[in-house]
Amino acid sequence: QVQLVQSGAEVKKPGASVKVSCKASGYTFTNYDINWVRQATGQGLEWMGWMNPNSGNTGSAQKFQGRVTMTRDTSISTAYMELSSLRSEDTAVYYCARAPITVAGPPLAWFDPWGQGTLVTVSS
Amino acid sequence: QSVLTQPPSVSAAPGQKVTISCSGSSSNIGNNYVSWYQQLPGTAPKLLIYENNKRPSAIPDRFSGSKSGTSATLGITGLQAGDEADYYCGAWDDSLSAVVFGGGTELTVL
Repeated sequence: QVQLVQSGAEVKKPGASVKVSCKASGYTFTNYDINWVRQATGQGLEWMGWMNPNSGNTGSAQKFQGRVTMTRDTSISTAYMELSSLRSEDTAVYYCARAPITVAGPPLAWFDPWGQGTLVTVSS
Repeated sequence: QSVLTQPPSVSAAPGQKVTISCSGSSSNIGNNYVSWYQQLPGTAPKLLIYENNKRPSAIPDRFSGSKSGTSATLGITGLQAGDEADYYCGAWDDSLSAVVFGGGTELTVL
């Protein structure tokens, strides 16, 4: 079955970076985009950005530009999201999610499935 | 402050129907597809509706979606205790060049 499995929880100090992995299985990795969405405790969903695993092209929300880097290793069907200059407000569960690649027009922007989530805690 | 506006909570009795609204603008819902997600406590979101009104094959037809102008609605019929969850709408926003979500609606089955 189609599945995204993420790396385990992380605890980081303010100013550090974190890199979360997302391993895909059950489908052709390069045929779908990977998006990243985060959720602080008790809060709603916040979209961070997308990556096309085939081309490596990426796009991110303005809030994260300059701080987020999305990469992939197609040989192991794994996507990565690295967030730098961490602050306490970055404490959240980070999800990867698969999305259809949009050939023309605005992104279709629907996500299925989602990874199980990775808790990133930023604390001194 | 979310770009898409949802009611914080809705409730209904088992077996009844409930609707959840999602209000946006011409730059998001008005010009792009809407999707809906169910998030059970402590779990990742799950896709319920995509492209305004389409259901993934595993989602029962008790769940439906519609869109009119700059608003969208999720409908759930035959409410069950297992439907208690948070529900989110999402869409692409042309002005922000970003995916935007509603703040989420907590469904309580009385």
